[in-house]
Amino acid sequence: KQEVTQIPAALSVPEGENLVLNCSFTDSAIYNLQWFRQDPGKGLTSLLLIQSSQREQTSGRLNASLDKSSGRSTLYIAASQPGDSATYLCAVRFQAGGTSYGKLTFGQGTILTVHP
Amino acid sequence: KAGVTQTPRYLIKTRGQQVTLSCSPISGHRSVSWYQQTPGQGLQFLFEYFSETQRNKGNFPGRFSGRQFSNSRSEMNVSTLELGDSALYLCASSSTPDSLYGYTFGSGTRLTVV
Repeated sequence: KQEVTQIPAALSVPEGENLVLNCSFTDSAIYNLQWFRQDPGKGLTSLLLIQSSQREQTSGRLNASLDKSSGRSTLYIAASQPGDSATYLCAVRFQAGGTSYGKLTFGQGTILTVHP
Repeated sequence: KAGVTQTPRYLIKTRGQQVTLSCSPISGHRSVSWYQQTPGQGLQFLFEYFSETQRNKGNFPGRFSGRQFSNSRSEMNVSTLELGDSALYLCASSSTPDSLYGYTFGSGTRLTVV
């Protein structure tokens, strides 16, 4: 069964810290992996998309890496700010022929709180 | 450039009723997917449409259905509502199912069944 797991489930850090969120997936045959942010009661905002052939992607203070062989991705947030407080979701599109069409498999998310 | 638009934003329905939710994808996007988000189950895939054809379906009962129109707008319908159908329903669009740019999500429709 293709599953995505995120640890930790929750994380509370003081402002300014660098932090790492982890995502693991059970099948290395993936099409791509996407990190999202979700604020309470809102939709998903795409942060970074890593294609299967890539090892990492960067956007501002965010860096995401992908290691297919170990089934892992990490999201690195540098110099965290209170505005970074949100739920971070990892989503994988597995390569499974027709059963993968349009389907992202999500982890349960990491709830991040950055306090001043 | 307008994002993915979902209407309505909030709905309250009574058990046993039916409901229709709407999703307008980003202009030019032809693939639309639907997800259900609940505190207990997280985000679960409902179905995906491309060029008016349902190409993939998640593990949901037949009460959940959808369709896509020629302008790529999509609707999902839930019949005989149950209390457990209360959730945030999210729609995502992509230019094609194999797009290199991933999926863009709407703000969702919050459905409460009482």
